[in-house]
Amino acid sequence: KQEVTQIPAALSVPEGENLVLNCSFTDSAIYNLQWFRQDPGKGLTSLLLIQSSQREQTSGRLNASLDKSSGRSTLYIAASQPGDSATYLCASRSYNTDKLIFGTGTRLQVFP
Amino acid sequence: AAGVIQSPRHLIKEKRETATLKCYPIPRHDTVYWYQQGPGQDPQFLISFYEKMQSDKGSIPDRFSAQQFSDYHSELNMSSLELGDSALYFCASSRMGQGWYEQYFGPGTRLTVT
Repeated sequence: KQEVTQIPAALSVPEGENLVLNCSFTDSAIYNLQWFRQDPGKGLTSLLLIQSSQREQTSGRLNASLDKSSGRSTLYIAASQPGDSATYLCASRSYNTDKLIFGTGTRLQVFP
Repeated sequence: AAGVIQSPRHLIKEKRETATLKCYPIPRHDTVYWYQQGPGQDPQFLISFYEKMQSDKGSIPDRFSAQQFSDYHSELNMSSLELGDSALYFCASSRMGQGWYEQYFGPGTRLTVT
């Protein structure tokens, strides 16, 4: 059974720092992995999707990497801004299922 | 760009009542997914539909049922509501064969059972 964990659970940093959020999964036979952003009480915004054959994806200041052999994905945020403050969730999807299994998230606060 | 639409956005019901949540996927998306997110928890998969047929099933209570209609919108029907059903319910959509089935989420319906 796939389990997804995220470290750290919370992070508070000053504006301008480069950040790394970690996501670990137990079953390396994943189909894809998505990173989401969730503002308090709001919906999930898809940030990046990495398919199983890829090693990384980039969108603006965001870069996500995937290492299936070690069961890890990282989300790198460059030059953080207060507007980046939110909870970041990773979610894995295995073959032959529609289900996304979510991690418990990293709550990020970027202060001016 | 058009996003997933969910209605209503907020719903308050009493125990043992029924509720119907609606989801309108992104245009040309053919797959719909339902998730439940309890307070302080991560989203849990309930059920999915592709081309109006149930595609996958997760931890959906027997009191809940769902379907996808010919226009691809979906409805989640919840009966005999319990206090523990209070949660944020998300619908997501994707298009078969496009973007590695990236799931795009709607804003959610917040259900409160009193």
